[in-house]
Amino acid sequence: AQTVTQSQPEMSVQEAETVTLSCTYDTSESDYYLFWYKQPPSRQMILVIRQEAYKQQNATENRFSVNFQKAAKSFSLKISDSQLGDAAMYFCAYRSAGTYKYIFGTGTRLKVLA
Amino acid sequence: GAVVSQHPSRVICKSGTSVKIECRSLDFQATTMFWYRQFPKKSLMLMATSNEGSKATYEQGVEKDKFLINHASLTLSTLTVTSAHPEDSSFYICSALGEINSPLHFGNGTRLTVT
Repeated sequence: AQTVTQSQPEMSVQEAETVTLSCTYDTSESDYYLFWYKQPPSRQMILVIRQEAYKQQNATENRFSVNFQKAAKSFSLKISDSQLGDAAMYFCAYRSAGTYKYIFGTGTRLKVLA
Repeated sequence: GAVVSQHPSRVICKSGTSVKIECRSLDFQATTMFWYRQFPKKSLMLMATSNEGSKATYEQGVEKDKFLINHASLTLSTLTVTSAHPEDSSFYICSALGEINSPLHFGNGTRLTVT
């Protein structure tokens, strides 16, 4: 069975600085998708970024980028120029290509310090 | 972007009563909807997968008779917590999937408190 691990329960970053959130996963599959979701205090889950496993190029979305290391089964999220609005719970998620089911990590709470 | 509406956002009910939570995809047809439960400061726990026109598939350990799921149309799924007890108090989140390779879209969640 696939698992997703986020080893950092909480992280802090100074406003305007850069922070990296870690995520590792375990799977025997070769075709899958990885996601980072953000859950702010409003509890609304918001998609931050997604990565297809077959793509070698790391996905980027404005200030958000990932470091996808397929062999190491690592999928970290880098937030550049951190803003107060980035403060939230961040969940890493895995979905195999053949199913609709998402597997979520335990989350990392990001605090942004003014 | 795709919008998923979940209602109510907050509900308080007495022990023994039933509560219905609605999840609607507003601007796309959701072939599949998912229901999650989230405990405080914890991750999302998948409860069941709901496909339009068919019975929901429940995850291991989730009571089918307690958490009734109905996916009546391509835009609406409901979760009914029957004979609610205080231990059912939690945050319930629905999500909807359009096309297979599209991202998952989430509702705003429902805070259920059973007194």
